[in-house]
Amino acid sequence: DTGVSQDPRHKITKRGQNVTFRCDPISEHNRLYWYRQTLGQGPEFLTYFQNEAQLEKSRLLSDRFSAERPKGSFSTLEIQRTEQGDSAMYLCASSPGPRAEQFFGPGTRLTVL
Amino acid sequence: TQLLEQSPQFLSIQEGENLTVYCNSSSVFSSLQWYRQEPGEGPVLLVTVVTGGEVKKLKRLTFQFGDARKDSSLHITAAQPGDTGLYLCAGDSGGYQKVTFGTGTKLQVIP
Repeated sequence: DTGVSQDPRHKITKRGQNVTFRCDPISEHNRLYWYRQTLGQGPEFLTYFQNEAQLEKSRLLSDRFSAERPKGSFSTLEIQRTEQGDSAMYLCASSPGPRAEQFFGPGTRLTVL
Repeated sequence: TQLLEQSPQFLSIQEGENLTVYCNSSSVFSSLQWYRQEPGEGPVLLVTVVTGGEVKKLKRLTFQFGDARKDSSLHITAAQPGDTGLYLCAGDSGGYQKVTFGTGTKLQVIP
């Protein structure tokens, strides 16, 4: 197993465009988390899934953000009508269950011009 | 909102020196993790501490969880250039395991 993968690694977009990121967790990990990290800061929780169910969403996740995990495996995070303030590193993590270590992917760095 | 404050924010030291990074909160955590993150990569877990007063060692790194489970420290002995990175503490308040990350300490070890 190669760990958590994220695609793309970098995305540059113009303000107002929609973007979608993908996360492939470690196989058989039923928990999947999305975080956002700005330069020099710690990651901030956005949302998490238990299998295909989205169990919590942070207040940071405005209505322009939507996340899915349709088959309980990979997940997508979509940002509609991007704003410059959305520029950040978007990190995905997976874990085999509650109270277990979270394994992070390399992140997708988004730049909104 | 649970906040984890780390200090110092930045630390630049010479190879061979010792250092301590602190992670403080007014909230109680059921466990606390320390991560190291290198530029352009995701955080990598170093250790998890779960018992108040617990001390764990990982080679030259010593981690301590406060007795009240509100704070933690990371001590590095004889720092090496390979220790350079962003050190993050993260608290787990229990339940569904949503961790809250600290503000981070950026460490630079100069050869």
